[in-house]
Amino acid sequence: DTAVSQTPKYLVTQMGNDKSIKCEQNLGHDTMYWYKQDSKKFLKIMFSYNNKELIINETVPNRFSPKSPDKAHLNLHINSLELGDSAVYFCASSQEGVRDTEAFFGQGTRLTVV
Amino acid sequence: RKEVEQDPGPFNVPEGATVAFNCTYSNSASQSFFWYRQDCRKEPKLLMSVYSSGNEDGRFTAQLNRASQYISLLIRDSKLSDSATYLCAVNKAGGFKTIFGAGTRLFVKA
Repeated sequence: DTAVSQTPKYLVTQMGNDKSIKCEQNLGHDTMYWYKQDSKKFLKIMFSYNNKELIINETVPNRFSPKSPDKAHLNLHINSLELGDSAVYFCASSQEGVRDTEAFFGQGTRLTVV
Repeated sequence: RKEVEQDPGPFNVPEGATVAFNCTYSNSASQSFFWYRQDCRKEPKLLMSVYSSGNEDGRFTAQLNRASQYISLLIRDSKLSDSATYLCAVNKAGGFKTIFGAGTRLFVKA
């Protein structure tokens, strides 16, 4: 009954490969996000989607392509992986339009590019 | 200037100490404010929302100063289990994004 679940938890891959991370939320939220947390632990927003529509793209390279088949799912596909993509990627969801729009996070996907 | 700034620490305090964290935000249109807690190799989790009137939850007190665009978190009687990274976060209603500070690391020692 995990609220926000993402898979895989760990991902080790070579430079140049393409990989995907999946995310699902069962909270009924309209808004989902991808965040990147680098080695310095800074949590930076990448994308936000509302009801399957892209709302925010925080100048993320085109190699990153999010896809939202429905409002409960937001997947992230990364092409041509680079060393600098190594980080922890967190999916999150929230319900906009309410006073305290708390974000609920998945457990994170630790991506290591070698 | 970053949208949300906080002192990265680390703060090293003995058990029982009182510790305060500060955070400033740059967007005056921000409407919701939060403190999240992140344990090592875990996801961030909401600790508490922050209201203009100030709010308290047990040993934790959060304050918001809209005029100075400043948020604070006070932890009284620190426990070993309080050791974590504390992230300040702000959100603008309808903005569809929560912006996080870089986090402040707290180590509570016996």
